[in-house]
Amino acid sequence: DGGITQSPKYLFRKEGQNVTLSCEQNLNHDAMYWYRQDPGQGLRLIYYSQIVNDFQKGDIAEGYSVSREKKESFPLTVTSAQKNPTAFYLCASSGTGGFRETQYFGPGTRLLVL
Amino acid sequence: QKEVEQNSGPLSVPEGAIASLNCTYSDRGSQSFFWYRQYSGKSPELIMFIYSNGDKEDGRFTAQLNKASQYVSLLIRDSQPSDSATYLCAVIPSGGSYIPTFGRGTSLIVHP
Repeated sequence: DGGITQSPKYLFRKEGQNVTLSCEQNLNHDAMYWYRQDPGQGLRLIYYSQIVNDFQKGDIAEGYSVSREKKESFPLTVTSAQKNPTAFYLCASSGTGGFRETQYFGPGTRLLVL
Repeated sequence: QKEVEQNSGPLSVPEGAIASLNCTYSDRGSQSFFWYRQYSGKSPELIMFIYSNGDKEDGRFTAQLNKASQYVSLLIRDSQPSDSATYLCAVIPSGGSYIPTFGRGTSLIVHP
């Protein structure tokens, strides 16, 4: 089955710790995205990548970092500089054919601070 | 800033009724429009997309687009309790990046 997987489902971070969220897709999509969702809020774009070895900051990139070494993988690191990391993190992917491309989402990772 | 606005709700409808969810957007050049359903604690799943003015039907769902008035709506006929969720509107703006802007979502409650 084609799809997007995210792991872990729940992640706990201690003060001063960096943590990495995994996102893998087998949809052969060129573009991948990371969003953050807070309760009662919409989706806010953290980073996106439209091709391997290239990525762009979204609206709220501070305190986060990404890499795109493989087409299938787009891990997100939440650094200690992110002071309020508790949120639901969603990874998405899409083709890059234009305005008709649809984003599909993984199941999400819920990050909690200890 | 290109904005997408949705009434946060909750919108409460009885089972079997038509639920009408609305979304307005600020970028007149927006090209494509998507509706996602998000159950509590889960990720968004695509329900429908629409590109052209008018109506598009898929089962119990109808998307309506009016580019002149800059709104898109989702109608759910014969609403079921299982339709209770938050519905997110997403709009691909002009400018060539093809990255959607999401509304904050409307919470729908279908009561028996």
